[in-house]
Amino acid sequence: DAKTTQPNSMESNEEEPVHLPCNHSTISGTDYIHWYRQLPSQGPEYVIHGLTSNVNNRMASLAIAEDRKSSTLILHRATLRDAAVYYCILRPNTGNQFYFGTGTSLTVIP
Amino acid sequence: DVKVTQSSRYLVKRTGEKVFLECVQDMDHENMFWYRQDPGLGLRLIYFSYDVKMKEKGDIPEGYSVSREKKERFSLILESASTNQTSMYLCASSLGPRARNTIYFGEGSWLTVV
Repeated sequence: DAKTTQPNSMESNEEEPVHLPCNHSTISGTDYIHWYRQLPSQGPEYVIHGLTSNVNNRMASLAIAEDRKSSTLILHRATLRDAAVYYCILRPNTGNQFYFGTGTSLTVIP
Repeated sequence: DVKVTQSSRYLVKRTGEKVFLECVQDMDHENMFWYRQDPGLGLRLIYFSYDVKMKEKGDIPEGYSVSREKKERFSLILESASTNQTSMYLCASSLGPRARNTIYFGEGSWLTVV
């Protein structure tokens, strides 16, 4: 399985932007980059995904490096409700095995 | 919205008991998954299913089996529960195996084996 590397933890002040990095140097050409987050005592929820171009939705933005070996999830204004563990995963176009890892635990400081 | 429902949120079972964890999705998804989540280890795939009666082993299938008799339902079975199976179990589903398909998770089932 192609794997990703994320920092174990990050902190942000409330209402400031947050940039969560992810390295995926072994990404293949057809792998999609997905981001999920897990709030305390809940299952992970979808945040955003992309292939090559930067993506925006109501929750976040995803910036993908030109060589696709890294990506950054951007929360434009962190709120206390954004405190969660954020997972970056690579989903291949064939097969159902993908690697979640341990993610980045985001703390939002009031 | 897609809903993935896990039948039990919290369970306490005795060592050696047979345990069933049930999962139902309401969006006619082809693929369903069972993960376990332990502190420091992230999510680890136990089994997945890509169609009714079809299944494949994930990274940690030992001590577990699964059943998918209907498309919407995927069951995880612990034939003889052991204390090292105390964990949070997450069910998930996806429209299909394509890379762009989103994965939807249930809220999790916390299993304690005593």
